[in-house]
Amino acid sequence: QFVLTQPPSASASLGASVTLTCTLSSGYSNYKVDWYQQKPGKGPRFVMRVGTGGIVGSKGDGIPDRFSVLGSGLNRYLTIKNIQEEDESDYYCGADHGSGSNFVYLFGGGTKVTVL
Amino acid sequence: EVQVVESGGGLIQPGGSLRLSCAASGFTVSSNYMSWVRQAPGKGLEWVSGIYGGGSTYYADSVKGRFTVSRDNSKNTVYLQMNSLRGEDTAVYYCASSVVDGFDIWGQGTLVTVSS
Repeated sequence: QFVLTQPPSASASLGASVTLTCTLSSGYSNYKVDWYQQKPGKGPRFVMRVGTGGIVGSKGDGIPDRFSVLGSGLNRYLTIKNIQEEDESDYYCGADHGSGSNFVYLFGGGTKVTVL
Repeated sequence: EVQVVESGGGLIQPGGSLRLSCAASGFTVSSNYMSWVRQAPGKGLEWVSGIYGGGSTYYADSVKGRFTVSRDNSKNTVYLQMNSLRGEDTAVYYCASSVVDGFDIWGQGTLVTVSS
């Protein structure tokens, strides 16, 4: 069964860096993952897509340069450098998954980022 | 401006039906992958259904047989027909589109509350 696993929370001091991890199920190391940011009461916002070679395509509209991604093995990382108060949000990873004749999209449980 | 706007949410009794609409502007729904994603109160994101440009449709197991996604190309609108609604279907329903990569266009969401 394919799942994406995210730690429920992360925190960083203002101006510091934080790295979020999204772990794919065993056997799916070739999957690309999408990262989304969601602020309270708002719809999600696409951040960027990441594969094992790094970013795939372009960042979402208005995503600052301090956001970057890396991919290694089963892990897909989103790093926020010089974190700002406005980066305090929930972050979700998601991926397409085909199983037989069914094609679904799955999300991880999300990571709540707190700026200290 | 590229955007989607959802409508049609509301309060509905268990076992009832509701149809959500997603009106797109700035792009063509028939040329892009359109999806419905929901978020129960205080919970994470859950993909519900998707319709590809070629017309293929897919559903999460939790809604298969109860929900139907469709589109009207002349109105550039995607719909989600929801039947046999249950309490666990209570959520904000978002329309999302994959124009370039991932779900890069999201609406503001429409709230569906299933309760007697």
